[in-house]
Amino acid sequence: KNEVEQSPQNLTAQEGEFITINCSYSVGISALHWLQQHPGGGIVSLFMLSSGKKKHGRLIATINIQEKHSSLHITASHPRDSAVYICAVVQGGAQKLVFGQGTRLTINP
Amino acid sequence: KAGVTQTPRYLIKTRGQQVTLSCSPISGHRSVSWYQQTPGQGLQFLFEYFSETQRNKGNFPGRFSGRQFSNSRSEMNVSTLELGDSALYLCASSLDVNNYGYTFGSGTRLTVV
Repeated sequence: KNEVEQSPQNLTAQEGEFITINCSYSVGISALHWLQQHPGGGIVSLFMLSSGKKKHGRLIATINIQEKHSSLHITASHPRDSAVYICAVVQGGAQKLVFGQGTRLTINP
Repeated sequence: KAGVTQTPRYLIKTRGQQVTLSCSPISGHRSVSWYQQTPGQGLQFLFEYFSETQRNKGNFPGRFSGRQFSNSRSEMNVSTLELGDSALYLCASSLDVNNYGYTFGSGTRLTVV
């Protein structure tokens, strides 16, 4: 079993829909990242969380440390949100990222 | 301020050759980590450097090595290339060992033929 599990693996939605991507992890962590990867490979860190909730524009990320679970929400989704979203945890005590397998999001106009 | 710069962007090598990839971190960032991304295995941690010292290493064979220079620039080397080494290699930098805010480079896409 992977240390970081994401669901769903693939998600297709219509423009304007509310999107939720989930991440569960089984290791102790120092922080959790939500990353975005567009075709071509470049990765952008959207959020870094160690507790609570963060919001940036239409994106919201939450984390529940006790339940070892995080969610990424996209409100009013747009075709430009189409990308792979990756959950990554900083494993406790080590400067090392452990990644989920990614969620491929496609937003149709 | 310049981001994380990886060179080259694309590389084609033959089985058995060796390759060196370069990563220049954001100015002031002292920690550099490397990752391999393949369709089958996803993103995997290779190693992490701070102050010219390797602090952590992932589960990769000894053919994969790296180093960090006094200006924090880092290189990784893969010797005796195998077809399975074809991947996107990404590096990320952060301020220091207790700062988990990572900035990623655009990656080097290595194809081994």
